[in-house]
Amino acid sequence: DIQMTQSPSTLSASVGDRVTITCRASQSISRWLAWYQQKPGKAPKLLIYMASSLESGVPSRFSGSGSGTEFTLTISSLQPDDFATYYCQQYDSYMYTFGQGTKLEIK
Amino acid sequence: EVQLVQSGAEVKKPGESLKISCKGFGYSFSSYWIGWVRQLPGKGLEWMGIIYPDDSDTRYSPSFQGQVTISADKSISTADLQWSSLKASDTAMYYCARREVADYWGQGTLVTVSS
Repeated sequence: DIQMTQSPSTLSASVGDRVTITCRASQSISRWLAWYQQKPGKAPKLLIYMASSLESGVPSRFSGSGSGTEFTLTISSLQPDDFATYYCQQYDSYMYTFGQGTKLEIK
Repeated sequence: EVQLVQSGAEVKKPGESLKISCKGFGYSFSSYWIGWVRQLPGKGLEWMGIIYPDDSDTRYSPSFQGQVTISADKSISTADLQWSSLKASDTAMYYCARREVADYWGQGTLVTVSS
């Protein structure tokens, strides 16, 4: 299996901050990476696919970058609605795997 | 509007069987893979497997191979996830999602297994 490792596991930040979450793959996945946001009691929501393509309707303050084994999700200016848990997911092979998640908390 | 609607919450005893469902609306159900994702209480997301409804080609993640069965009936736009013998450790929220890049998700089905 391809293992996905996110860091940090928890991130405390304030409204207006710029934050970055990192996701590392145990082997190269080219750009077959997606990012999701999940709020408590809700299904995840797709934010980014193909490492850097913004899903329709997602605010432009979200951006993704990377290729191979290292990827980042950046939120340029945190809004109150952004405090949630974020997951990366590789879809390079049919053994799709998620990272363990990064909980973004209000400082 | 694309929607995935899942069946309701279930409470079962260990050893019982269960099938939960996911029905697609608003798109060509046969033409998109449907995946299943498990979320244990308070934990992260785990990809279980994926099926292509048009030909029922199914792929399982190694952790779930032999533990569950994924099926689909394209005539009624429905994908199913089933267990033959539930364990307490199967207690979780289960989501279906469209495509390997999960652009649409069901609302989730909570499965509780308890004696």
